[in-house]
Amino acid sequence: ELKVEQNPLFLSMQEGKNYTIYCNYSTTSDRLYWYRQDPGKSLESLFVLLSNGAVKQEGRLMASLDTKARLSTLHITAAVHDLSATYFCAVDIVRRDDKIIFGKGTRLHILP
Amino acid sequence: DAGITQSPRHKVTETGTPVTLRCHQTENHRYMYWYRQDPGHGLRLIHYSYGVKDTDKGEVSDGYSVSRSKTEDFLLTLESATSSQTSVYFCAISLAGGSSGTDTQYFGPGTRLTVL
Repeated sequence: ELKVEQNPLFLSMQEGKNYTIYCNYSTTSDRLYWYRQDPGKSLESLFVLLSNGAVKQEGRLMASLDTKARLSTLHITAAVHDLSATYFCAVDIVRRDDKIIFGKGTRLHILP
Repeated sequence: DAGITQSPRHKVTETGTPVTLRCHQTENHRYMYWYRQDPGHGLRLIHYSYGVKDTDKGEVSDGYSVSRSKTEDFLLTLESATSSQTSVYFCAISLAGGSSGTDTQYFGPGTRLTVL
């Protein structure tokens, strides 16, 4: 059974600081997604990571994938209040059905 | 934004009544999904569809059924609603899936369902 674990589940941090959210998964996958959800809103796609070593960046967010370690990271650089949200990673099971499995989410609260 | 709408957006119902939620897309995407979101559980897949009249179960399918008679519509039915089905329900669509790899999923605005 595929398990996707995010940590931390909750993070409160000051503006201007750097931090990393971790996403571990338990079985082989070659495709990983990061989503953002604002309170009371829907999910918005941030990144799709398609191969080992993939790195993508958008503004202050950078995501990377290490398929050998079964680990993805979402790094936040010089955090700003607007990045406060819940971040989900989701993993595609290699060559099996049409589903992705979500982690439980990391709730990020950035203090001004 | 992907053209996905959900209806109703909010619903309050009583235990034992049937409830149908509708997801409508204008993107002509093949794959459609129903998730529920509950505190502490993230998103959990209820059912999904990989084409008209082609559906399969997700991890929390008990008490739910789905139908897809047209590409653009995916219906989720709670056959006899229970309080444990109080949740926020999200529909999602994607262009691809299966052995070619699941494509990015685009989410609808959600339906907040309360079962009293």
